[in-house]
Amino acid sequence: NAGVTQTPKFQVLKTGQSMTLQCAQDMNHNSMYWYRQDPGMGLRLIYYSASEGTTDKGEVPNGYNVSRLNKREFSLRLESAAPSQTSVYFCASMEYEQYFGPGTRLTVT
Amino acid sequence: AQSVAQPEDQVNVAEGNPLTVKCTYSVSGNPYLFWYVQYPNRGLQFLLKYITGDNLVKGSYGFEAEFNKSQTSFHLKKPSALVSDSALYFCAVRPQGNKLTFGTGTQLKVEL
Repeated sequence: NAGVTQTPKFQVLKTGQSMTLQCAQDMNHNSMYWYRQDPGMGLRLIYYSASEGTTDKGEVPNGYNVSRLNKREFSLRLESAAPSQTSVYFCASMEYEQYFGPGTRLTVT
Repeated sequence: AQSVAQPEDQVNVAEGNPLTVKCTYSVSGNPYLFWYVQYPNRGLQFLLKYITGDNLVKGSYGFEAEFNKSQTSFHLKKPSALVSDSALYFCAVRPQGNKLTFGTGTQLKVEL
């Protein structure tokens, strides 16, 4: 089992560019999550999906959109990147505890 | 609203000594409680969880955590620290439903 996979691992964007972060899990979990991690702030929930076909906002959803493509895949889209979105992004899936992907390090210049 | 506090940004301990990383929470009902560890440039890894039952929970790599309902605490412990335990540790709470709330993390440094 690969667990939770994320692509890309690194990305540099210019302000105003768009991109999609991809996430997939092979554990047949219903729930999937997107977090951002910033120094001194822990993990903050951006969006989550409790089951296929549903998505809900988390703590910091502004500037992001998500798609739960199927049970395995949950993507995060930045339509117009801003420097404030420079962060490390983690995807996770959960049955009882959460399992995390390796992260995407995004820099917006 | 639920919250998790990790009062220490950093904990330093000598190898071989016992370690404690503190966590307190504020949430209604009977939450699930978790500890995760993050090594540099990696995702978070699950260490252990408390759902119900014995207040002392054992997890991976020799770690354990003690649930104290009256003090609303869930401190992470290990009897004998290793240099390889040096990492960032996160406490998290899941009140009900599908969302976790994470603390801000405690950097553990184990020195020879």
